[in-house]
Amino acid sequence: ETGVTQSPTHLIKTRGQQVTLRCSSQSGHNTVSWYQQALGQGPQFIFQYYREEENGRGNFPPRFSGLQFPNYSSELNVNALELDDSALYLCASSLTSGNTGELFFGEGSRLTVL
Amino acid sequence: AQSVAQPEDQVNVAEGNPLTVKCTYSVSGNPYLFWYVQYPNRGLQFLLKYITGDNLVKGSYGFEAEFNKSQTSFHLKKPSALVSDSALYFCAVRDRSSYKLIFGSGTRLLVRP
Repeated sequence: ETGVTQSPTHLIKTRGQQVTLRCSSQSGHNTVSWYQQALGQGPQFIFQYYREEENGRGNFPPRFSGLQFPNYSSELNVNALELDDSALYLCASSLTSGNTGELFFGEGSRLTVL
Repeated sequence: AQSVAQPEDQVNVAEGNPLTVKCTYSVSGNPYLFWYVQYPNRGLQFLLKYITGDNLVKGSYGFEAEFNKSQTSFHLKKPSALVSDSALYFCAVRDRSSYKLIFGSGTRLLVRP
């Protein structure tokens, strides 16, 4: 069984730039969600994708956007980067949207904004 | 507002002793409750969940958690700690009408030999 994989693992950007983070969901999982984990804090929900549609969003501005592809992989895009966007970005997959089961997390992409 | 509180930033325990990591929540209705563990430079790993039924839930690596509805708590426990249990532990809740997990701020567990 293939787990959740994320790329890149680390990256450095400057303020104002744009970044794309990628996620391959666990085999058989059709729902992907993204979380932001700032240093010393718990993960914060960004949004969730199910069947290529965004079906839930946390308290993040529109410059955070995403995609889900037919193979259930996903991208997180962040435009106009700010210093506070520096964080570990976690992708998680699950079997169906809104189920009672656990999320399976990747190891994250650590973004540093200078 | 929905929230999760982990009142201890760090818990220290000697190997072989029992451990408890505390979690309380503020979510309407009957939420789903979860515990995750995070090792350095790694993602989150699922430990256990409470959906309904027995208030004592058993999970991975010998961990268990006790759900207390009247106290809105979901404390993580283990009868005998191992040095390898040292990690960052997160409690999370999900409202049954929602899809997002709300995480606590995490508790660092340090098990000394």
